[in-house]
Amino acid sequence: KNEVEQSPQNLTAQEGEFITINCSYSVGISALHWLQQHPGGGIVSLFMLSSGKKKHGRLIATINIQEKHSSLHITASHPRDSAVYICAVRWGETSGSRLTFGEGTQLTVNP
Amino acid sequence: AAGVIQSPRHLIKEKRETATLKCYPIPRHDTVYWYQQGPGQDPQFLISFYEKMQSDKGSIPDRFSAQQFSDYHSELNMSSLELGDSALYFCASSRRDGINEKLFFGSGTQLSVL
Repeated sequence: KNEVEQSPQNLTAQEGEFITINCSYSVGISALHWLQQHPGGGIVSLFMLSSGKKKHGRLIATINIQEKHSSLHITASHPRDSAVYICAVRWGETSGSRLTFGEGTQLTVNP
Repeated sequence: AAGVIQSPRHLIKEKRETATLKCYPIPRHDTVYWYQQGPGQDPQFLISFYEKMQSDKGSIPDRFSAQQFSDYHSELNMSSLELGDSALYFCASSRRDGINEKLFFGSGTQLSVL
């Protein structure tokens, strides 16, 4: 059983909709990354969170340390946002400690 | 801007052969991670290095070995290849700046074992 759970696994939206992807993890972490992977493409890091909230353009990421939960929000979604979004967590504190990946959320935004 | 470079992009090998995969991190990045991703599967952590020393070790078979060199590039050596080793192998590099860390990923090496 994966210690990092994402929901939903698949998400289809219409262009312009507000999108939320959730990530829960089993025990306390030192950092959480939200990643994006396009079909046939490499992985791009969107955010690194250890607390609070970060915003970049139409993307917002939040984390609640007490509830062991993070969310990625996309405002005014666009077809080019279609990709797999992955939550990856680090439990270790030392540099080079592994990241454990969630199963990913396949997002499809239709025009 | 320079990205994480992996070579080769594609590799075809026979069973029991050996393979060497290379990862060149972004300049001034001191940490390299290796992951294996089978078709339709989550990436599985193999091994990582920080400042040329092994930092963390995951589900890496004994047939595999890896190291990080003085110029910070890393190589994953795979021997006695098996059909099940067919996967995308990608690396990532990072550098911490206080509590922040930005990860950059390579495009991966697609290994096919026939």
